Amino acid sequence: EAQVTQNPRYLITVTGKKLTVTCSQNMNHEYMSWYRQDPGLGLRQIYYSMNVEVTDKGDVPEGYKVSRKEKRNFPLILESPSPNQTSLYFCASSPGDKFNEKLFFGSGTQLSVL
Amino acid sequence: SQQGEEDPQALSIQEGENATMNCSYKTSINNLQWYRQNSGRGLVHLILIRSNEREKHSGRLRVTLDTSKKSSSLLITASRAADTASYFCATFTGSARQLTFGSGTQLTVLP
Repeated sequence: EAQVTQNPRYLITVTGKKLTVTCSQNMNHEYMSWYRQDPGLGLRQIYYSMNVEVTDKGDVPEGYKVSRKEKRNFPLILESPSPNQTSLYFCASSPGDKFNEKLFFGSGTQLSVL
Repeated sequence: SQQGEEDPQALSIQEGENATMNCSYKTSINNLQWYRQNSGRGLVHLILIRSNEREKHSGRLRVTLDTSKKSSSLLITASRAADTASYFCATFTGSARQLTFGSGTQLTVLP
C-alpha cells in the first residue's frame, strides 16, 4: 500500500532531551516536507527536501534539523526540545514534478514537551 | 506566513444539506487545493483548481475560484455524517517551493 509512515504516533518528552521523529514513504517520491499544526494557525512548513541531500528551510525552521540521506526517509530532529515545540507534526511527500499539486500526508505525530 | 484564510471557522449542518466553506488568499496563485483532515489525522487531498479555471467538480464536491477577489469556495452537496472533518485550502504561489495552508473550517454533519 502506498503510504507515508511516521513514528511515533505519540511522544511525550522533557525539555532538552534530543528526539527524532521518523518519516518514510514507499512511493519513490522526490519531494518530502515537514509541517507542524497548531490550533488557529493551520499548517506551517518546517523544512522540505526536493531530493536526496537537498534540504531547505520552510517558514518555521528554528529548533529543528532534517536530513535526507535516502530518498525514502526524511527524519525530523529536535536537538533540544522546548515546550513551544509541543505540536502535531506531519510529514508529507509528492513526486518531484507534482509537489505543488498534491501532497500525501502521514498520520501525524503528537509531540508534548514538558 | 498564512496565505489562505477559511471562513467560517466552524460549520454545523444536518445530514443531506449542502455545506459551503470559503477561502481567501492574499497573493497571486498558480493553483489552489482543498484538503480534508479527519480528527487529528493526516490531510487528504480532495481537489485542485488552477488559476485559469473558474469551477471544478469531483463527485459531490464543487470548487470555484475567483482570482479577481482572491477567493475560492468549496461546496459539498448532500452531506453525510462521514463528511465531518476539518477542511483546509492550500495555495501554491510559485515563488516558494511549498504549499501554504489556511487555518481550516471545522465541518460537523449531524445525523
